[in-house]
Amino acid sequence: KQEVTQIPAALSVPEGENLVLNCSFTDSAIYNLQWFRQDPGKGLTSLLLIQSSQREQTSGRLNASLDKSSGRSTLYIAASQPGDSATYLCAVRADSSYKLIFGSGTRLLVRP
Amino acid sequence: NAGVTQTPKFQVLKTGQSMTLQCAQDMNHNSMYWYRQDPGMGLRLIYYSASEGTTDKGEVPNGYNVSRLNKREFSLRLESAAPSQTSVYFCASSEKTWRSGYTFGSGTRLTVV
Repeated sequence: KQEVTQIPAALSVPEGENLVLNCSFTDSAIYNLQWFRQDPGKGLTSLLLIQSSQREQTSGRLNASLDKSSGRSTLYIAASQPGDSATYLCAVRADSSYKLIFGSGTRLLVRP
Repeated sequence: NAGVTQTPKFQVLKTGQSMTLQCAQDMNHNSMYWYRQDPGMGLRLIYYSASEGTTDKGEVPNGYNVSRLNKREFSLRLESAAPSQTSVYFCASSEKTWRSGYTFGSGTRLTVV
């Protein structure tokens, strides 16, 4: 059974720092991995989608990497800003039924 | 683009009452999903519809029913609400290809008292 883990559960950093959020999954047979952002009381906003054949994807200050063989993905946020404060979720699509399996998220606080 | 639209945004029910959560997407996606999100439990799949005319159970289907009304709409029904169904419910959609990502709605906050 596929399980997705995100460490740390919470992270507090000063503004301007570069930071890395981690996501690991137990079964390397995935189709793709998606990173989401969730603001308090809001829905999920897709940040980056990495296909199983890709090593990384970039969008602005965000860079996500994927190492399928080791079951790991990282989300790198450059020059963090208070507006980046949110919960970040990773999810893998692991089989032909198209279901997403989520990690429990990392709650990020960027202090001014 | 509206994307995925959920109604209502908030709802309070009494135990035993029934209600239907509505979801519609305008991206011509084939697959649609219902998740619930609870503190400490993360997001769990309730039901999904891989394509119009099909529905399947997810991890936590008990107490729920779904209807894939057409390609755009996928509703979730609580026949007899219980306090354990207090949660935030999210609808999502995707293409019916393994390369597709998901698009989520903004959620319905349901409280059962």
